[in-house]
Amino acid sequence: QVQLQESGPGLVKPSGTLSLTCAVSGFSISSGYYWGWIRQPPGKGPEWIGSIYQSGSPYYNPSLKSRVIISVDTSKNQISLKLNSLTAADTAMYYCARQRLKVAANPYLYYFDYWGQGTLVTVSS
Amino acid sequence: QSVLTQPPSVSAAPGQKVSIPCSGSSSNIGDNSVSWYQQIPGTVPKLLIYDITKRPSGIPDRFSGSKSGTSATLDITGLQTGDEADYYCGTWDSGLSAVVFGGGTKLTVL
Repeated sequence: QVQLQESGPGLVKPSGTLSLTCAVSGFSISSGYYWGWIRQPPGKGPEWIGSIYQSGSPYYNPSLKSRVIISVDTSKNQISLKLNSLTAADTAMYYCARQRLKVAANPYLYYFDYWGQGTLVTVSS
Repeated sequence: QSVLTQPPSVSAAPGQKVSIPCSGSSSNIGDNSVSWYQQIPGTVPKLLIYDITKRPSGIPDRFSGSKSGTSATLDITGLQTGDEADYYCGTWDSGLSAVVFGGGTKLTVL
């Protein structure tokens, strides 16, 4: 059973940096999937932040790319998210999830099949 | 503004069928595979449909997906009160090089 668990501070200050960790159990992150971060502001739809392969370069949402770093630690079987220059607009539930790569003439990221429970992050002074 | 457009809400009676549309463009739905997620209030999004029409293990066949051109549709038959949730479509946008989601549709089973 694949399980993901996010952890990190629930309250961060404006202009600060958010750091979250996603611990994966029941599955090795080195086993050929992508691992992504998605956020969902209260009352709104999901927004993809970015995804990373076990050893490859991460993909980032162009709208957040200048503020985001996603990394993977295969020894700990976890992925991490850092988001800087925070504003109130970054207040959201943050999820990590396992993601499949569509094998096609031009491969692309697509569906998320396992999600963590999410962690609510509030940006406020 | 979401890249993919969904109606904010739909409703139908128990036992009936409802269709939830998701409209996009040639760079996203028109070119790539679509997935659908169900989110019951207060819970985590759950994968319902992937590769336009496929259901993960455990998802009943009351849920089905389709695609035509730059639009996709989620059909739910035999509606149950437990189907009340927000439904989101998602896909890859080749122009943006990003995973994109719809704004979501709230299903009410009257």
